[in-house]
Amino acid sequence: AQTVTQSQPEMSVQEAETVTLSCTYDTSESDYYLFWYKQPPSRQMILVIRQEAYKQQNATENRFSVNFQKAAKSFSLKISDSQLGDAAMYFCAYRDYGQNFVFGPGTRLSVLP
Amino acid sequence: ETGVTQTPRHLVMGMTNKKSLKCEQHLGHNAMYWYKQSAKKPLELMFVYNFKEQTENNSVPSRFSPECPNSSHLFLHLHTLQPEDSALYLCASSQDRGQGRSPLHFGNGTRLTVT
Repeated sequence: AQTVTQSQPEMSVQEAETVTLSCTYDTSESDYYLFWYKQPPSRQMILVIRQEAYKQQNATENRFSVNFQKAAKSFSLKISDSQLGDAAMYFCAYRDYGQNFVFGPGTRLSVLP
Repeated sequence: ETGVTQTPRHLVMGMTNKKSLKCEQHLGHNAMYWYKQSAKKPLELMFVYNFKEQTENNSVPSRFSPECPNSSHLFLHLHTLQPEDSALYLCASSQDRGQGRSPLHFGNGTRLTVT
């Protein structure tokens, strides 16, 4: 069975600085998708960024980028120029070509003014 | 994001009550999901429906009964719940056709408290 691990339960970053959240996963599949979701106190799970495993190029969405290392099964999220609104729980997620979604336990990010 | 709507937002119920959670998606997706989110636990998949057919029941107790009358609506019927069932219940949808697979799109959740 696939698993997703986030080894950092909590992280903090100074406003305008850069922070990297870690995620590793385990799968025997060669084609799959990886996602980062953000859950602020409003509770809505918001998609931050997605990566298709067959693409070597790392995905980027404005201040958010990933470092996808397929061989190492690593998928970290980098947030540049951190803003107060980035404070939230961040979940790493894996899905295969079926309907199997697996979420990590989450990392709580605090942004310090 | 108003693509997936969940009602009610909050629900308090006694252990002998019967209530229902409702989810509606306006995204034209074919798959809908119920997840349970408890404090200090990973998201737990409960049920998956694909084109109204249940394709996943993740060993959920029978006091939770899902219903999917069409691809846009999903219900979770609750009866004789236990206090440990108190949690945030999240509904999500996705589009799975052909070679593509979409991410999950979530609703705002229903915060359930069982007294």
